[in-house]
Amino acid sequence: GESVGLHLPTLSVQEGDNSIINCAYSNSASDYFIWYKQESGKGPQFIIDIRSNMDKRQGQRVTVLLNKTVKHLSLQIAATQPGDSAVYFCAENTSGTYKYIFGTGTRLKVLA
Amino acid sequence: SQTIHQWPATLVQPVGSPLSLECTVEGTSNPNLYWYRQAAGRGLQLLFYSVGIGQISSEVPQNLSASRPQDRQFILSSKKLLLSDSGFYLCAWGRFGPNSPLHFGNGTRLTVT
Repeated sequence: GESVGLHLPTLSVQEGDNSIINCAYSNSASDYFIWYKQESGKGPQFIIDIRSNMDKRQGQRVTVLLNKTVKHLSLQIAATQPGDSAVYFCAENTSGTYKYIFGTGTRLKVLA
Repeated sequence: SQTIHQWPATLVQPVGSPLSLECTVEGTSNPNLYWYRQAAGRGLQLLFYSVGIGQISSEVPQNLSASRPQDRQFILSSKKLLLSDSGFYLCAWGRFGPNSPLHFGNGTRLTVT
């Protein structure tokens, strides 16, 4: 499969603990943000998104927090499981444009 | 539901040979379509996007081209591959309008030898 993220920052978490993955976005005009999960050899998979008029959004075991003041985005995964091991990307978009800017990603390793 | 298909999954081609990667989307009409390249340890680099049949926008001047002969078909091509074209190529689709995520295929791992 694809050897994505050979030199990516890595977050190692014990199984059952909570994970927090951070992302700093670059464009002040961005008003829509997405988190993706990418497993080895596969394409990125949509996890959760958030609009800029929100600070927090929750999904199943995942929460995204947005701090527009410091242009920071985080993904929290509750009760991390082995199946959560993957590379996680954030993406940003500005309404009315077709371009999405992706971060370089963070590798999450879940320790048994 | 919508699905995106991308093939082949892996490809090994000699330098100077042509390339054709295909991507099709099912379950939606008039999608925005994208080709990205992903290098190890780096983010996704946008190569091309298309908002309609025959409409292609190129983001990075290079040895590649894209075409959209049908509404839900997007093709990435090259007449002569270079070693530097090796990489992981991802096709994605998105809906027209704001606040819409991109959905990706499973990619093609291209190795140019």
